[in-house]
Amino acid sequence: QVQLQESGPGLVKPSQTLSLTCTVSGGSISSGSYYWSWIRQPAGKGLEWIGRIYSSGSTNNNPSLKSRVTISVDTSKNQFSLKLSSVTAADTAVYYCARQWSQFDYWGQGTLVTVSS
Amino acid sequence: DIQMTQSPSSLSASVGERVTITCQASQDISSYLNWYQQKSGKAPKLLIYDASNLETGVTSRFSGSGSGTDFTFTISSLQPEDIATYYCQQYDNLPLTFGGGTKVEIK
Repeated sequence: QVQLQESGPGLVKPSQTLSLTCTVSGGSISSGSYYWSWIRQPAGKGLEWIGRIYSSGSTNNNPSLKSRVTISVDTSKNQFSLKLSSVTAADTAVYYCARQWSQFDYWGQGTLVTVSS
Repeated sequence: DIQMTQSPSSLSASVGERVTITCQASQDISSYLNWYQQKSGKAPKLLIYDASNLETGVTSRFSGSGSGTDFTFTISSLQPEDIATYYCQQYDNLPLTFGGGTKVEIK
């Protein structure tokens, strides 16, 4: 059974960079034709896809976040990571990592990141 | 971006009642649509993929239909454990986009 777990600071100051890591267990991040995505959800609001990475390292990001997003993969650790730069209060949200084939079939439990000084 | 419009945004129904949620895409997405259930404080859970395929282990009370721009998600007989917010999601084009969600409550 594949499991995903987000980790990283729960509090980030405005203008700084948010950094999160998703650790995958129960399966190799390199096997199969899967994408590994980041999705976020502000409190009381809907879901927003941030971006994804393939095991080869190729990425796709949501243009709404402009060039603030960097997603990387470390296959040796079975992890992928998110960096979101120049954060503001609008980036406060629960951040999820998820595996995607065509559907998001496995999700992490989510981690709350608050942007505040 | 493909806009996904769900309706209603919330509904209240009795136990045992049939519940229908619609999702409209701003352009043709064929059958590239998934449905998720999100209970309070939890991650979303995949229910239906490719518009009408039930995910393994998911109750057959849930079903999906549609193609092109108009899609429907149905709960055949609402149960208390179905209280949640339901989201549609398209994967025809990047960026991947979700509907705004439908909150289902018990009357």
